[in-house]
Amino acid sequence: DAGITQSPRYKITETGRQVTLMCHQTWSHSYMFWYRQDLGHGLRLIYYSAAADITDKGEVPDGYVVSRSKTENFPLTLESATRSQTSVYFCATGADTDTQYFGPGTRLTVL
Amino acid sequence: EDQVTQSPEALRLQEGESSSLNCSYTVSGLRGLFWYRQDPGKGPEFLFTLYSAGEEKEKERLKATLTKKESFLHITAPKPEDSATYLCAVRPLNAGNNRKLIWGLGTSLAVNP
Repeated sequence: DAGITQSPRYKITETGRQVTLMCHQTWSHSYMFWYRQDLGHGLRLIYYSAAADITDKGEVPDGYVVSRSKTENFPLTLESATRSQTSVYFCATGADTDTQYFGPGTRLTVL
Repeated sequence: EDQVTQSPEALRLQEGESSSLNCSYTVSGLRGLFWYRQDPGKGPEFLFTLYSAGEEKEKERLKATLTKKESFLHITAPKPEDSATYLCAVRPLNAGNNRKLIWGLGTSLAVNP
């Protein structure tokens, strides 16, 4: 029981391609979050979800799409990847919005 | 503008040499302040939540304190395994529907044996 997992851990893609990053949790936490972490910017919230079928934009949502049909899964899709989306992406989960538990991250490179 | 600043950016200590990391914040009102630890190549790991000035939390060699303008993470007699980047985040009272946390850039701590 890993708690929260992300896949893939590493991904290289090309500009314009669609990419989906997966996040799975086994705790049945209500809240799930997607962040990106870049040097000089710290962590920035992309999207979050308060429950299945409830999602909302964070600080930097442009170019990203999320869905949450099941409590345990929260995939993040880059519809047409751009070089500026090269980053490390973290999924997090929590029973509330305060205490968040992060996954191991996905390192995405867009060429 | 809401802002979180952590200092120093990097800190190198000898094993057993106690020190403190600083997180200063500028927000219109504070709902909560959070400390996380991040090891290289891993996701942040939750350490503490502080809600009001004067509050303190402890865990092993770490103690977090909060004032109206800043928080300190005190590390007592650190060990090499305490080496990591320590992140501070703040949730303003007016975080609104996007549940935004404002994150600092972190302090990279290295503890030499």
